[in-house]
Amino acid sequence: EDQVTQSPEALRLQEGESSSLNCSYTVSGLRGLFWYRQDPGKGPEFLFTLYSAGEEKEKERLKATLTKKESFLHITAPKPEDSATYLCAVNTGGGNKLTFGTGTQLKVEL
Amino acid sequence: DTAVSQTPKYLVTQMGNDKSIKCEQNLGHDTMYWYKQDSKKFLKIMFSYNNKELIINETVPNRFSPKSPDKAHLNLHINSLELGDSAVYFCASSGGLGTDTQYFGPGTRLTVL
Repeated sequence: EDQVTQSPEALRLQEGESSSLNCSYTVSGLRGLFWYRQDPGKGPEFLFTLYSAGEEKEKERLKATLTKKESFLHITAPKPEDSATYLCAVNTGGGNKLTFGTGTQLKVEL
Repeated sequence: DTAVSQTPKYLVTQMGNDKSIKCEQNLGHDTMYWYKQDSKKFLKIMFSYNNKELIINETVPNRFSPKSPDKAHLNLHINSLELGDSAVYFCASSGGLGTDTQYFGPGTRLTVL
């Protein structure tokens, strides 16, 4: 069975303090790994898709990387508006089914 | 312009009642999904439809019945509501069945009393 584990569950950073979120996965065949951001009371908002080991994608202060066993979401010099829950999901085929991790709740303080 | 919309935003009802949640997307996508997010924020797929055809049907009680009148709409009807059905339900859509990105609606918070 496909499994996705995210760590840490919660992370508190000071503004400007860079860090990384981890997403480890065990799947039979990865067809894509997705990162989403979810703000309280809202739906997940798409950030990145990664398809193969070694791939990297960037958007503003966020950079996502992928290896054969895990993905990292690096946050450089975060701001309070980066506070949210970050969700990782894997697509292993079967009708574009996504299996999600439990998320990392990030809080960035002034 | 709202891409994926859901109604209602909040739904409070008694055990045993029947209720529906509606979802519409204006992205021109062929595939739509229903997800359930529990109190621990874990998001799990329930159903998906592609061009009005059921594609994914996870282990969901048969009290839950999705209906797709056309490819822009996917509704979720729930019979005989139970306390454990309380959750946030999200609709999503994607261009197709490959590795297309799924775009989520704002969610419907269902509370069963």
